Amino acid sequence: QVHLVESGGGVVQPGRSLRLSCAASAFTFSSFGMHWVRQVPGKGLEWVAVISYDGNNNDYAESVKGRFTISRDNSKNTLYLQMNSLRVDDTAVYYCARRAYRSYHLDYWGQGTLVTVSS
Amino acid sequence: QSALTQPRSVSGSPGQSVSISCTGASSDVGDYNYVSWYQHHPGKAPKLVIYDVNERPSGVPDRFSGSRSGNTASLTISGLQADDEANYYCCSYAGGHWVFGGGTKLTVL
Repeated sequence: QVHLVESGGGVVQPGRSLRLSCAASAFTFSSFGMHWVRQVPGKGLEWVAVISYDGNNNDYAESVKGRFTISRDNSKNTLYLQMNSLRVDDTAVYYCARRAYRSYHLDYWGQGTLVTVSS
Repeated sequence: QSALTQPRSVSGSPGQSVSISCTGASSDVGDYNYVSWYQHHPGKAPKLVIYDVNERPSGVPDRFSGSRSGNTASLTISGLQADDEANYYCCSYAGGHWVFGGGTKLTVL
């Protein structure tokens, strides 16, 4: 069964940085694109970023472009999200999700990690 | 990258059917056959219930169905069950990025 486990969340001050990780198991990680999606408490889901299976292509939501970087280490079956210049409105639960093979939906999700940006 | 528009809430009694709409634009919902729907019980991982507008993943009961007309997609759940009570989100590919709806809370009365 596909398993995705996020980690790295916590409380951070505005302007600081944080790196999230997503450990993947039970599938061939290097064959699948991956996403980060976030949910502000009490609000809906917001797509954040996507990375190709080999890490050579990525894209970002306008709200995080230039501040966040998505990356992956296929030798470690791990996805990352480097978040710089954090703002209060980046406070959210961050989910990693697998992009379905050669398709456009997100077929498996982790349970998320909470990032709180507060002074 | 405007969010897709969903009703904030819908409700129905056990055994009834409900539909949830998802309105986008000609640049997302209306332009790609890549609308998906996710069921989210708070505190748990979101679960895919419909992809490519009207396809069901294995293991999702055929009570769940999807459709689209123009820039509006819909999720229909028939034969409502108590466990269907959750938040539902639509999502559309939009050419290099993805956009979600604001979510709809389904209450089973």
